[in-house]
Amino acid sequence: KNEVEQSPQNLTAQEGEFITINCSYSVGISALHWLQQHPGGGIVSLFMLSSGKKKHGRLIATINIQEKHSSLHITASHPRDSAVYICAVRRYRGYNNNDMRFGAGTRLTVKP
Amino acid sequence: DAGVTQSPTHLIKTRGQQVTLRCSPKSGHDTVSWYQQALGQGPQFIFQYYEEEERQRGNFPDRFSGHQFPNYSSELNVNALLLGDSALYLCASSPGPQAGAFFGQGTRLTVV
Repeated sequence: KNEVEQSPQNLTAQEGEFITINCSYSVGISALHWLQQHPGGGIVSLFMLSSGKKKHGRLIATINIQEKHSSLHITASHPRDSAVYICAVRRYRGYNNNDMRFGAGTRLTVKP
Repeated sequence: DAGVTQSPTHLIKTRGQQVTLRCSPKSGHDTVSWYQQALGQGPQFIFQYYEEEERQRGNFPDRFSGHQFPNYSSELNVNALLLGDSALYLCASSPGPQAGAFFGQGTRLTVV
């Protein structure tokens, strides 16, 4: 079983819809990242969370440490949001740890 | 600030050859991690360099090796290339153990 599981694997939405992508993990973590990967491979870090909730524009990320679960929400989705969204966790292995483990990604397509 | 830069962007090699990929971290970052991302999969952790030493390693064979230079830039070397080594190789840097990681655009390696 992967340490980081994402759902759904693929998601197609109409422009304007509210989108939720889920991430569950099975290891102790010091932080969780939501990443966006566009065709061609470049990765952009959207959020880094260790507790609670963060909001940036139309994007909202939440994390529940007790349940080992995080969600990424996109409000008023737009075709330019089409990308692969990846959940990644930094496993807690003491100070000076940068070992990140990644989910397989959720491929989002937003149709006009 | 140029962010994390990787070179080359694309590379084609023949099975059995050796390859060197390069990464320059974001200014002020002293830690570099390398990841392999096969098509349709999430990135897999290869190893991490800090203070010119390999600090952590994922489940990759010894054919994968690396180096970090005094200016914090890093190289990933892969010997005796296999067809299965074809992937996007991502480099990420961070300014310390608890900070967010910044990713490069990746090097797409094709082994024929």
